[in-house]
Amino acid sequence: EVQLLESGGGLVQPGGSLRLSCAASGFTFGSYVMNWVRQGPGKGLDWVSAITASGGDTYYADSVKGRFTISRDNSKNTLFLQMNSLRAEDTAVYYCAKPRDSGYDAFDYWGQGTLVTVSS
Amino acid sequence: DIQMTQSPSSVSASVGDRVTITCRASQGISSWLAWYQQKPGKAPKLLIYGASSLQSGVPSRFSGSGSGTDFTLTISNLQPEDFATYFCHQANSFPYTFGQGTKLQIK
Repeated sequence: EVQLLESGGGLVQPGGSLRLSCAASGFTFGSYVMNWVRQGPGKGLDWVSAITASGGDTYYADSVKGRFTISRDNSKNTLFLQMNSLRAEDTAVYYCAKPRDSGYDAFDYWGQGTLVTVSS
Repeated sequence: DIQMTQSPSSVSASVGDRVTITCRASQGISSWLAWYQQKPGKAPKLLIYGASSLQSGVPSRFSGSGSGTDFTLTISNLQPEDFATYFCHQANSFPYTFGQGTKLQIK
């Protein structure tokens, strides 16, 4: 059974940093592009970042480029999102998401999400 | 970036009704379009991928159509568990983008 379990969320002050993790199981993690998607309170879905299976290529939404860094440890089946210079508008539930196919495709599995609150 | 315009933003319907939600891409995305259902406090659930392919385990009353820039999600014979929010998603190119969502409410 595929499982994605996010952790690392919490309350942080504006300008602060946080590192999210997503522990994956039930599939060959090292063969899949992985993604982060967020959802602000009462808002829609907002794609944040993606990383290729090897970790060699990364992609970011303009809103987080230069502040967030996606990475992965295939030996530990774990995806990360390092978030720096956090802003109030980064407040959201952050989901890791696995594509249906190993590459670029719809997301067939999502984690339960971890809440990040940026506030003083 | 590819903009996804979803409509309507909300719709009211009754059990047994048929509902259609549309999504328009600002440029062609072939069939790289997915639909998700989301209930409060839960992660989205994949319903349709490749514009018209039904995800395993999803009831056949859900169907998708379209290609290029115009896409449709149709829910036939609405059931009580279908009242939720629906999102479209283009997976043609990064940055991926989602529609604004359609809230399906009970009339």
